[in-house]
Amino acid sequence: DQQVKQNSPSLSVQEGRISILNCDYTNSMFDYFLWYKKYPAEGPTFLISISSIKDKNEDGRFTVFLNKSAKHLSLHIVPSQPGDSAVYFCAASAKTSYDKVIFGPGTSLSVIP
Amino acid sequence: NAGVTQTPKFRILKIGQSMTLQCTQDMNHNYMYWYRQDPGMGLKLIYYSVGAGITDKGEVPNGYNVSRSTTEDFPLRLELAAPSQTSVYFCASNGYLAGGNEQYFGPGTRLTVT
Repeated sequence: DQQVKQNSPSLSVQEGRISILNCDYTNSMFDYFLWYKKYPAEGPTFLISISSIKDKNEDGRFTVFLNKSAKHLSLHIVPSQPGDSAVYFCAASAKTSYDKVIFGPGTSLSVIP
Repeated sequence: NAGVTQTPKFRILKIGQSMTLQCTQDMNHNYMYWYRQDPGMGLKLIYYSVGAGITDKGEVPNGYNVSRSTTEDFPLRLELAAPSQTSVYFCASNGYLAGGNEQYFGPGTRLTVT
């Protein structure tokens, strides 16, 4: 049973527009959420995170929104740039087991110039 | 700071062979992890370690073994390789700040078992 879901395997967006990547989770114990970005032939790199005590966290062009009641989070990239083309993984962990992080299957974002 | 390094980058194994994937980090992180990523799938945790001498199973440990004799190194051993172990393997580490568990990943090892 997938605890972290990313239901869109791929997404295409025009350069300059907003990219919205979605993530749903099922485990109500999760209280810390992260987004990682992965380019081909490289390891994932940390992008942005959010604690369950917040509903929004912003870092430059990247904003993560958390809706705890819906068990849903989203990553907004504004404006999207061709260099943002990558696979984005949503990940979650629980206070009781911060040593374990559960990853979603990823969404492949293509930003078209 | 090299971060997390993994060797080899690529390897082809025959069924039944064994090998060790090496992972080293120079950030003095206590926590280290091994993941595998299959096509179209997320990262699955194989084993992890919370410090030298301490290891524990993740979600998919069968067919693998680990050891953690130093803070820096966390090798992953494959015994009797099987085609189902064809995957990309990532090692990661983090320093575990309470409430902040960003992991640093190595570049990966692409393993093919034929």
